[in-house]
Amino acid sequence: GESVGLHLPTLSVQEGDNSIINCAYSNSASDYFIWYKQESGKGPQFIIDIRSNMDKRQGQRVTVLLNKTVKHLSLQIAATQPGDSAVYFCAENNAGNMLTFGGGTRLMVKP
Amino acid sequence: SQTIHQWPATLVQPVGSPLSLECTVEGTSNPNLYWYRQAAGRGLQLLFYSVGIGQISSEVPQNLSASRPQDRQFILSSKKLLLSDSGFYLCAWCRAGGAPNSPLHFGNGTRLTVT
Repeated sequence: GESVGLHLPTLSVQEGDNSIINCAYSNSASDYFIWYKQESGKGPQFIIDIRSNMDKRQGQRVTVLLNKTVKHLSLQIAATQPGDSAVYFCAENNAGNMLTFGGGTRLMVKP
Repeated sequence: SQTIHQWPATLVQPVGSPLSLECTVEGTSNPNLYWYRQAAGRGLQLLFYSVGIGQISSEVPQNLSASRPQDRQFILSSKKLLLSDSGFYLCAWCRAGGAPNSPLHFGNGTRLTVT
């Protein structure tokens, strides 16, 4: 079936470096994508979203890139900080009121 | 601003016992409401969603049920818990009709351990 997945289950970066977390999706009809950050013992926290009519969207220290040709989504975090350590999920809306979530990537920031 | 509350934060229950997890949303009206389950180190599995009072859609067959007795209240229940029901349960909301264009907002979850 349609699914959202991630290339890397764990990403380790040095504090201050930029991080890139990738996500592949398979449903070309998906028109809305979201990145979430989940810290241990907490619920997922909304980071940034993007609609399919856009290729790029920037927030504070974060950028989401959408490549519809290859069905690829990425989250870039600039100047990664220890507080960025968490599991990151991508999600797509491909069926009305529901989101489909990827399996998650753990980001570890080394001081 | 909108807030979402889930309780309890943690729960340990014996096999065969009943379950009731509650979720409430404040600061919005007629939200879409969702229950997800997250197994350790895994992604999120949608269990139920509701677009209005008394309207429940189930995504996976299981021994859990959901109810929405009030506009901003969503309850997850079981009559008899199984070991496999252990997990992290998350409630979420989004604005009515908003799922295609707005994100879900999650509570902080309930860690359920069935022993």
